[in-house]
Amino acid sequence: EAQVTQNPRYLITVTGKKLTVTCSQNMNHEYMSWYRQDPGLGLRQIYYSMNVEVTDKGDVPEGYKVSRKEKRNFPLILESPSPNQTSLYFCASSLSWDARDYEQYFGPGTRLTVT
Amino acid sequence: QKEVEQDPGPLSVPEGAIVSLNCTYSNSAFQYFMWYRQYSRKGPELLMYTYSSGNKEDGRFTAQVDKSSKYISLFIRDSQPSDSATYLCAMDDSGGYQKVTFGTGTKLQVIP
Repeated sequence: EAQVTQNPRYLITVTGKKLTVTCSQNMNHEYMSWYRQDPGLGLRQIYYSMNVEVTDKGDVPEGYKVSRKEKRNFPLILESPSPNQTSLYFCASSLSWDARDYEQYFGPGTRLTVT
Repeated sequence: QKEVEQDPGPLSVPEGAIVSLNCTYSNSAFQYFMWYRQYSRKGPELLMYTYSSGNKEDGRFTAQVDKSSKYISLFIRDSQPSDSATYLCAMDDSGGYQKVTFGTGTKLQVIP
């Protein structure tokens, strides 16, 4: 089954404790991205990757890191999480960055709480 | 002022009603418009994609873009309880996912 998977789905952690949220897709997609979704603010892009070893900042990259060493995986790293990073996180992937021709598929989401 | 404005709802309608969901935007450069549906505890899924002005129909769903008014709409005919979800509009100027701006979403409930 074609899908985007994220782990963990739920995470409660404390300020400053490094964490990684994994994202994997099995569709051989080139484009992958991370969003956070907050009430009243909608979906905002954190980082995106056009292909392996090619990543760039989105609208809200502060406090986050990413890497794209393999085509299928795009982990999101929070080196020192803070309470303002409490949010619902989505990973997404698409065959290409071109929204005109290719649909973007979203993962099920990771609800992160930082206390 | 946000670039994309969307009434959060909730919007409650009886089964079979015609639903109208709307977004307004301020960036006149936007020319690619999308509607996503997001069920509770799920990721968004693409419903409709339109370019520039005009209408696009897909089954019970019709997307409408009025660039002169900076206003887009999604109409759902013969609404079903399974349509109960949050609907997000999204738009950008280049056709690339790296620049898409999302609305905050409208929560829709269709009452059987």
